[in-house]
Amino acid sequence: EVQLVESGGDLVQPGGSLRLSCAASGSTLSSNWMHWVRQAPGKGLVWVSGLARDGSFTGSADSVMGRFTISRDNVKNTVYLQMNSLRAEDTAVYYCATGSLDYWGQGTLVTVSS
Amino acid sequence: QAGLTQPPSVSKGLRQTATLTCTGNSKNVGNQGAVWLQQHQGHPPKLLSYRDNNRPSGISERFSASRSGNTASLTITGLQPEDEADYYCSAWDSSLNAWVFGGGTKLTVL
Repeated sequence: EVQLVESGGDLVQPGGSLRLSCAASGSTLSSNWMHWVRQAPGKGLVWVSGLARDGSFTGSADSVMGRFTISRDNVKNTVYLQMNSLRAEDTAVYYCATGSLDYWGQGTLVTVSS
Repeated sequence: QAGLTQPPSVSKGLRQTATLTCTGNSKNVGNQGAVWLQQHQGHPPKLLSYRDNNRPSGISERFSASRSGNTASLTITGLQPEDEADYYCSAWDSSLNAWVFGGGTKLTVL
């Protein structure tokens, strides 16, 4: 069974940067599409970014386009989300999930506040 | 990105049947079908069904999904207290190249 563990969430000031990591075990990430999904406090799920298994496609929601970048390291079996120019509205729990949303991590909390 | 439409809340009695709905369009639900996710407070989402009515191993047969056109449905029979949770539908949107989500339905078991 696939297990995903996110890390890297923190309190950061507006305009700052963070890099989230999602480490996988039980499967090689290179055989899966991978996605980041976020959930603001008390709100619903929102897709943030996705990466094709062969790296041929990356996509991001309009709200993070140009600020967030998804990438993977197949050697470390880890997917990353580089988040720049953070805003208060980016405050959320960030989950990584495999291609068909079949496996999810526990999430990591990002708080953007001065 | 436009989302899918779900009713905000549904309430049903113990051992009754609840049907949750999710409406999209021909580029998402009507094209690829929907997945259904269950989320208990403070926990990550869990996949209940994918591609309309395929259940991952370990998911109870009390959960069944279907689709008619651009509307997907999740039916939960024999409601139990542990079924009280938020339920989200999602579908891959072929025009947006993105997963789109519904706003979620809070199921209350009375």
